[in-house]
Amino acid sequence: GNSVTQMEGPVTLSEEAFLTINCTYTATGYPSLFWYVQYPGEGLQLLLKATKADDKGSNKGFEATYRKETTSFHLEKGSVQVSDSAVYFCALKVFQAGTALIFGKGTTLSVSS
Amino acid sequence: GAGVSQSPSNKVTEKGKDVELRCDPISGHTALYWYRQSLGQGLEFLIYFQGNSAPDKSGLPSDRFSAERTGGSVSTLTIQRTQQEDSAVYLCASSLATDSSYEQYFGPGTRLTVT
Repeated sequence: GNSVTQMEGPVTLSEEAFLTINCTYTATGYPSLFWYVQYPGEGLQLLLKATKADDKGSNKGFEATYRKETTSFHLEKGSVQVSDSAVYFCALKVFQAGTALIFGKGTTLSVSS
Repeated sequence: GAGVSQSPSNKVTEKGKDVELRCDPISGHTALYWYRQSLGQGLEFLIYFQGNSAPDKSGLPSDRFSAERTGGSVSTLTIQRTQQEDSAVYLCASSLATDSSYEQYFGPGTRLTVT
């Protein structure tokens, strides 16, 4: 079946530290991969995506590269800010009409100044 | 423009009662999804609508759950005879189409508490 595994949190960092949140997946076919973010008190927002192998998604200083050989889509940011504190969800969608997003369990990031 | 809206934002109900949760998708979005976010299970897909096609109900956890989408727009998720394990945040999302290149836009959710 299709599934997403992401590192368990919480992840606690100081401002300007380097961030990595690991995400690996299992999928039939060739999925598209996503990172969603949920800021405190807000709804889920798409952070970035990649639709094929070796694609790099990027947004707001965050990056993730679609690695087919390791079935991974790790999220990275070079210098985190307090405002990045949120819950981050890795997700996949199989290239098949009508298939919903499959999410990982989420990783809570807390950044302190 | 307006995003996905959901109502109510919070709902507290007694065990055994029925509840209805409403979702207003972004205008023009043909695809509409319901998900459930709970502490133990993370984010789970419940049901999906695409245009006038029959909905994909494969994620519904029991026959107490049902959903409809009227006129290809507003959707209502109904939970009958609520149980405490139904307590969760129910999220609605819509997208222009089902292809992976189309982003799913999420509403703020309805927090359901069953006492």
